[in-house]
Amino acid sequence: DTEVTQTPKHLVMGMTNKKSLKCEQHMGHRAMYWYKQKAKKPPELMFVYSYEKLSINESVPSRFSPECPNSSLLNLHLHALQPEDSALYLCASSQSGGGQGYYGYTFGSGTRLTVV
Amino acid sequence: GESVGLHLPTLSVQEGDNSIINCAYSNSASDYFIWYKQESGKGPQFIIDIRSNMDKRQGQRVTVLLNKTVKHLSLQIAATQPGDSAVYFCAENDAGNNRKLIWGLGTSLAVNP
Repeated sequence: DTEVTQTPKHLVMGMTNKKSLKCEQHMGHRAMYWYKQKAKKPPELMFVYSYEKLSINESVPSRFSPECPNSSLLNLHLHALQPEDSALYLCASSQSGGGQGYYGYTFGSGTRLTVV
Repeated sequence: GESVGLHLPTLSVQEGDNSIINCAYSNSASDYFIWYKQESGKGPQFIIDIRSNMDKRQGQRVTVLLNKTVKHLSLQIAATQPGDSAVYFCAENDAGNNRKLIWGLGTSLAVNP
C-alpha cells in the first residue's frame, strides 16, 4: 500500500458544527502532516506529528485540533470554524520522524471543506 | 516552452515540445529539493527530488537541475503530453528550520494538443 487515504473527500459544515477529518497510511511512515491549501496557492503547513507526538504547530487557531491515535492514523477535529477556513485540507506522510523528513512526502487527495 | 522564476505563473506549450519550469530559492541552508505535480482536485504528487550534493538528476521524461551558485532549480519535461497539464510546485527542505518544507508559488502548465 503506497497511498495516503483521506475521508471524507468533501465536507460542508456550519459554523456551529463539530466534524472530523481522517487520514490513514500503511507505509510505515513515522511522520504525518496536516496542510491547508487555498485555491491557486501552495500548501500551508498546519501540524506535524513525529512518532505519534505533535512536534510542530504552526500557530494554528484552536478551532483546529489534531490527534494521532496511532502510527497509521491522523485526525483533524474541527469546531466553530469560519467561512475563511474553507479550503482543501491535505494529509501527508514521510519516512523520517525527525520534524519534516529528508524524503519525499506522500500526499492524500485531500478533503474539500466548505464552511457555511 | 520555459517559465521564468515566480513572475510567470502560467506556461503554455504544444504537445510534444519540451517544457522547462523554473524556481528560485532563497535559503542557502536548504539541502534537499522536491518537485510536485498537482492535478485539479488532487493532492500534490511527488515527481522527482535532488539533494544539494548533486546538480542534475533524471527520471522518466523529467530532469531536475540544481544551480546552487544562483539558487536556481528547474524541472524539464521531455515530449510534454496532455496528461502533464497541472500545477507544478518546487519545495526546498530547510535543514536549519526543523527541516520545514518551503514551497514555491507554483507554475500552471497547460499543454495544447
